[in-house]
Amino acid sequence: QQPVQSPQAVILREGEDAVINCSSSKALYSVHWYRQKHGEAPVFLMILLKGGEQKGHEKISASFNEKKQQSSLYLTASQLSYSGTYFCGTVPYITQGGSEKLVFGKGTKLTVNP
Amino acid sequence: SAVISQKPSRDICQRGTSLTIQCQVDSQVTMMFWYRQQPGQSLTLIATANQGSEATYESGFVIDKFPISRPNLTFSTLTVSNMSPEDSSIYLCSVASRGAPYNEQFFGPGTRLTVL
Repeated sequence: QQPVQSPQAVILREGEDAVINCSSSKALYSVHWYRQKHGEAPVFLMILLKGGEQKGHEKISASFNEKKQQSSLYLTASQLSYSGTYFCGTVPYITQGGSEKLVFGKGTKLTVNP
Repeated sequence: SAVISQKPSRDICQRGTSLTIQCQVDSQVTMMFWYRQQPGQSLTLIATANQGSEATYESGFVIDKFPISRPNLTFSTLTVSNMSPEDSSIYLCSVASRGAPYNEQFFGPGTRLTVL
C-alpha cells in the first residue's frame, strides 16, 4: 500500500527549514528517501531501518517512528540545490528481515527560492 | 555506489511495435528492478529481475507485455511489447546489493519513451 507524503508541495526561501513526512498503514522494515530533479533519475538520500540504524547524506537528517510507521525528512538551512521532488519509499516488515521492494509515495515538490 | 547506464536514453515509437531497454551496471549486484514513472507521477515497480530465473511481476504487470531478461549479475533488459500511447513513460532500472542491514537502491538515468 502506497505511503502518504505531506505536504504535497512547499516553497522556501534559501536558508529556511522544511520537514517532509511519510506515513504508512503497514509495519515497516525500512524507509528510503530520494530526491529527483526534473528530467533526472531519483538520487538516494537516506535509508532508515527498524531498530534505529540509518545511513545517508551528511547534510540531511531524518527520523523513523516505528510504532507510528512514520518517517520525517528534515531539510535545514535549505540551499537552492535542494529544489526537487522528494519521494519516500517504504519496505514492509517481513520476519526474515525485509524485502527490497520499494513502494513509493506520491512525492513532495520542494522549491527553494533565492 | 554502482554506476548504472540505460540504453536508449529516449525513443519515439509507433503504436504496435516493441522496444527493448537495456540496463548495465559496472559491478555485480544482487537485485535489479524495473520501474515506470509517468510524467509528474510517482515511481511504480513493474518487476524484480531475477538472475537465472523468471522475473517477479507486480500486480497489474504481466510477462507478455513486459518480458524481462537477466542473464547475469550486471545486466538486464525490459521489453515493452505491442506498445500503445498509454505506455509513454519513463522506465528506470534500479539496483541493490543485499548487504545487510542496508539495501540502498540506486537508479539508472531512465529511458524516456513516447508512443505515437
